[in-house]
Amino acid sequence: AQTVTQSQPEMSVQEAETVTLSCTYDTSESNYYLFWYKQPPSRQMILVIRQEAYKQQNATENRFSVNFQKAAKSFSLKISDSQLGDTAMYFCAFLGLQGAQKLVFGQGTRLTINP
Amino acid sequence: DAGVTQSPTHLIKTRGQHVTLRCSPISGHKSVSWYQQVLGQGPQFIFQYYEKEERGRGNFPDRFSARQFPNYSSELNVNALLLGDSALYLCASSGSMPLTTNEKLFFGSGTQLSVL
Repeated sequence: AQTVTQSQPEMSVQEAETVTLSCTYDTSESNYYLFWYKQPPSRQMILVIRQEAYKQQNATENRFSVNFQKAAKSFSLKISDSQLGDTAMYFCAFLGLQGAQKLVFGQGTRLTINP
Repeated sequence: DAGVTQSPTHLIKTRGQHVTLRCSPISGHKSVSWYQQVLGQGPQFIFQYYEKEERGRGNFPDRFSARQFPNYSSELNVNALLLGDSALYLCASSGSMPLTTNEKLFFGSGTQLSVL
């Protein structure tokens, strides 16, 4: 079974700083997707960025980028020029392509951006 | 276009009761998945339906059941409610299975269930 581990329960940085959230996962599958989701206090789950395992190039979306290390099964999220609106819970998630379309989530990292 | 809609947004029940949660996927989406998110934890997979057939089930007791209708909307039913069933229940939809390149999973805003 797949597992996803986020080792940082909480992080806090100043506005405009860069912050990196860590995520490791375990799977025996060779092709899969990885995601970072943001969940603000409204509890709406918002997709931040996705990475296909077959792509060597790291995904980027504006201020958000990932460092995908397939061999190490590591998938970290970097937020550049952090903004107050980035304050939220961040979840790393794995989606295998065999069987059910089942997202496996980590425990989450609570990120606080301070003014 | 409307996103994934879930109803009701909040619900209060007592132990032993039954509850039905509803989800309408994005128009054209044929896959609906259900997740349970207990406060302070990541969501846990409950069910996935695609083309009206159950395609996957998570590690939940038989008190949990679901179905998908011809219009691809879905219901999640929970019988004999326990205090531990208190959680946010999220629904997600997508167009295909498996997910294709650049396709997204869209989540609804959830139903907050409180069991007293």
